[in-house]
Amino acid sequence: EPEVTQTPSHQVTQMGQEVILRCVPISNHLYFYWYRQILGQKVEFLVSFYNNEISEKSEIFDDQFSVERPDGSNFTLKIRSTKLEDSAMYFCASRGDTSGNTIYFGEGSWLTVV
Amino acid sequence: ILNVEQSPQSLHVQEGDSTNFTCSFPSSNFYALHWYRWETAKSPEALFVMTLNGDEKKKGRISATLNTKEGYSYLYIKGSQPEDSATYLCASSSGNTGKLIFGQGTTLQVKP
Repeated sequence: EPEVTQTPSHQVTQMGQEVILRCVPISNHLYFYWYRQILGQKVEFLVSFYNNEISEKSEIFDDQFSVERPDGSNFTLKIRSTKLEDSAMYFCASRGDTSGNTIYFGEGSWLTVV
Repeated sequence: ILNVEQSPQSLHVQEGDSTNFTCSFPSSNFYALHWYRWETAKSPEALFVMTLNGDEKKKGRISATLNTKEGYSYLYIKGSQPEDSATYLCASSSGNTGKLIFGQGTTLQVKP
């Protein structure tokens, strides 16, 4: 069964460093998302991406965050200068026109900022 | 701002017990309600997406109902098995954008 894959599974980074989290959405899906879950809190929406542009973003998604779809398969989330409070599990998700409303999630990337 | 709440926060049952959880969500501007099953170190698995008031969906021993007028959904598991142990997440959306607002999850532990 097709799945969303994410790398790395876990990354430890120093505060102030740039981090890129990578995702390969399900082939032929058109809508892409990043969510995150800070330990002990709810999963929260960061950004949605469609037709090579951001379609919606939350207030969390400030200028430190950016997303890119550099080729036909990858979808990346970049955090320019990480802060301690960016430590979280980051989930990539995708949805296709023909999959109804179902949104498929990857396994997540644990980011620890020290 | 949507606020989705789930109860109970955790549940411990014996193998063979049937159980149910609740998800409440704001009924205004409702579009869809999603249920996911999430095991540690795995991706959240989509169980159901429901949009219509009165909707009932079933997948094996798991079923869900939806009441959009009063803003709640129930997830039922019949004859719980140890492999049902997981966190069950519900999420609501107010449009077809894919922006989901999640509840905090219900963690189910099924003892053999």
